[in-house]
Amino acid sequence: EPEVTQTPSHQVTQMGQEVILRCVPISNHLYFYWYRQILGQKVEFLVSFYNNEISEKSEIFDDQFSVERPDGSNFTLKIRSTKLEDSAMYFCASSRGGRSSYNSPLHFGNGTRLTVT
Amino acid sequence: AQKITQTQPGMFVQEKEAVTLDCTYDTSDQSYGLFWYKQPSSGEMIFLIYQGSYDEQNATEGRYSLNFQKARKSANLVISASQLGDSAMYFCAMRDLNQAGTALIFGKGTTLSVSS
Repeated sequence: EPEVTQTPSHQVTQMGQEVILRCVPISNHLYFYWYRQILGQKVEFLVSFYNNEISEKSEIFDDQFSVERPDGSNFTLKIRSTKLEDSAMYFCASSRGGRSSYNSPLHFGNGTRLTVT
Repeated sequence: AQKITQTQPGMFVQEKEAVTLDCTYDTSDQSYGLFWYKQPSSGEMIFLIYQGSYDEQNATEGRYSLNFQKARKSANLVISASQLGDSAMYFCAMRDLNQAGTALIFGKGTTLSVSS
C-alpha cells in the first residue's frame, strides 16, 4: 500500500538555525498538509497546500515557516530560525483530490521528531 | 469554527471487553466528516474509521464502530473485543466537506490502556 514518507525521522538543531523537513506524499494525491504534535499532546494543523500554493494555514504558521513543492514528488516544511518551542513531532499528510474524494481521510507519514537545543 | 472535545484523558479496559471513547464536536457546517485515528507508542497516525454528517448508518470497520448521534453532536468510537495491541492514543477529528482538501481538526486525544 502506498504511504507517505518523511525524512529525517529525527532532527536535532540549535536555536536560531534553519531546518528543512522533507516529505514524499502518496503519488496520486493532490492535497498536502503539515501538522505538529508537541510531546503527547494535541495534533495541531499548520498548513495545507494545493496546486502549488497554500490553501489554508493556522495561526501557528507564521513568517518563520514556509512550504514548498520543489519538484513533482517532494513537499518540504522550512523553519527559518528555530526556537526552543518548535521542538515537536512534525507530521506530513496527503489526501486525494477531486469532488468524490471530499470524505477521503488524510494519510500521515511517520513524522519527524524535531529537537531544538 | 470547528471544535472537537474528547473529555477522557485515559481509559482502561480488559482484553476482550468493549470500550467506548467519547467525542463531541461543534461546527456550523452542514456537511462535515468525522474521523478517528490511532496513534501507538511508535508515533504513527493510523486512520481507523470515517462517518459523514449525511450518512444514515453508523460506520463500522471490523472491530471499530462509530456511534454517531447527530442531534447530540457526538461521534463516539466503540472498540469491541479489545486486544493488547489496541493500547494507544486515539484522536477524534473532523473536517468541512463543502470543498476538497480542507484541514482535519483534532481533539486532544484519549489514551487507551488494555490489560490482560
